[in-house]
Amino acid sequence: DAGVTQSPTHLIKTRGQQVTLRCSPKSGHDTVSWYQQALGQGPQFIFQYYEEEERQRGNFPDRFSGHQFPNYSSELNVNALLLGDSALYLCASSLWGYEQYFGPGTRLTVT
Amino acid sequence: DQQVKQNSPSLSVQEGRISILNCDYTNSMFDYFLWYKKYPAEGPTFLISISSIKDKNEDGRFTVFLNKSAKHLSLHIVPSQPGDSAVYFCAASGGRDDKIIFGKGTRLHILP
Repeated sequence: DAGVTQSPTHLIKTRGQQVTLRCSPKSGHDTVSWYQQALGQGPQFIFQYYEEEERQRGNFPDRFSGHQFPNYSSELNVNALLLGDSALYLCASSLWGYEQYFGPGTRLTVT
Repeated sequence: DQQVKQNSPSLSVQEGRISILNCDYTNSMFDYFLWYKKYPAEGPTFLISISSIKDKNEDGRFTVFLNKSAKHLSLHIVPSQPGDSAVYFCAASGGRDDKIIFGKGTRLHILP
């Protein structure tokens, strides 16, 4: 049984560009959450999707947006990239009401 | 404003001894507490959780203790093994469906 998968593994972008990260949840899971982990910090909650709707949002600007598809997979989009957006982006999936399981993350570097 | 605090960036423990990782929180609305373990190049792995209605939860070598009055929780690992060397994140949420707030992590080194 495949766990949570994320693509790509690594990504290098230039300031001002846009990026899309992808996440496939663990089989049977219907909820996807996205987190940003800066170096030396714990993961910070960006937003959560359930039934294709954004259910909760953390303290991130509107440049961060997302989507959940009918098959429960999800995308995270970041517009107008800043140097400070460089981080590990983690996707976590869960069955609504149960523990979240994390993917390996996408390492984004903005130059 | 850090709502979940892990004040020890690192901890070294002899193999076979007890590892105790500590965590404090400030938000009294937190209802559910979790510990995650993270190896390099991997996402955090769920270890153990505890609901605010309990003060102890045990799973094999791992035990989490919750002291609500002190807003403090701890993770005990007994006995510590080499494979336990990793970064441990304390986390809290308003419930199982809720967003998770993480601490900065404690790097645990198990010494041979």
